[in-house]
Amino acid sequence: EAGVAQSPRYKIIEKRQSVAFWCNPISGHATLYWYQQILGQGPKLLIQFQNNGVVDDSQLPKDRFSAERLKGVDSTLKIQPAKLEDSAVYLCASSVSGTSMGAEAFFGQGTRLTVV
Amino acid sequence: AQSVTQLDSQVPVFEEAPVELRCNYSSSVSVYLFWYVQYPNQGLQLLLKYLSGSTLVKGINGFEAEFNKSQTSFHLRKPSVHISDTAEYFCAVSDNFGNEKLTFGTGTRLTIIP
Repeated sequence: EAGVAQSPRYKIIEKRQSVAFWCNPISGHATLYWYQQILGQGPKLLIQFQNNGVVDDSQLPKDRFSAERLKGVDSTLKIQPAKLEDSAVYLCASSVSGTSMGAEAFFGQGTRLTVV
Repeated sequence: AQSVTQLDSQVPVFEEAPVELRCNYSSSVSVYLFWYVQYPNQGLQLLLKYLSGSTLVKGINGFEAEFNKSQTSFHLRKPSVHISDTAEYFCAVSDNFGNEKLTFGTGTRLTIIP
């Protein structure tokens, strides 16, 4: 079974530039998550999709971050403009469905973003 | 809302010695509990989870955890560690209403000393 795919693995940009990350979840997984992991901290949920609808985006800085899930499959996360404090690893995860009791979330390898 | 506290940011342990990584949680509703491991430059991998039933949960790589509702704890244990266990370990909680939103602790870095 193929895992969650993310690209790119690494990205270095200057502050005020824009950047986009891509995620392809495990086939058949209805739920997709984007997490932000700042160095030394645990992952923090940015946004959760159920198919192509947003379930939770309460911690997404909407003035600069946006995300979409096309046709309920792939997803992109965009930052525009980037700030120094956005330097982090961005993790994508997917799970079978919100209706499953405690279903496992499978994580991709992440994209390490450095803003200089 | 839930929260997770991992009291130890770093734990050094000699190879073949036992280890316990501590996790306490706070929640106003019933929860599911998880331990994830993150190897260098990798994503997170599920070690084990508690949903219901037996409070002692066994996971991969010889790890186990015990759910203690009265102490709101879910400590991770391994009787004998190996060099390959060197990694960051995250405790996480989600509510049991099906949305599976995971709230993570800050992580414990386990370093195995040869």
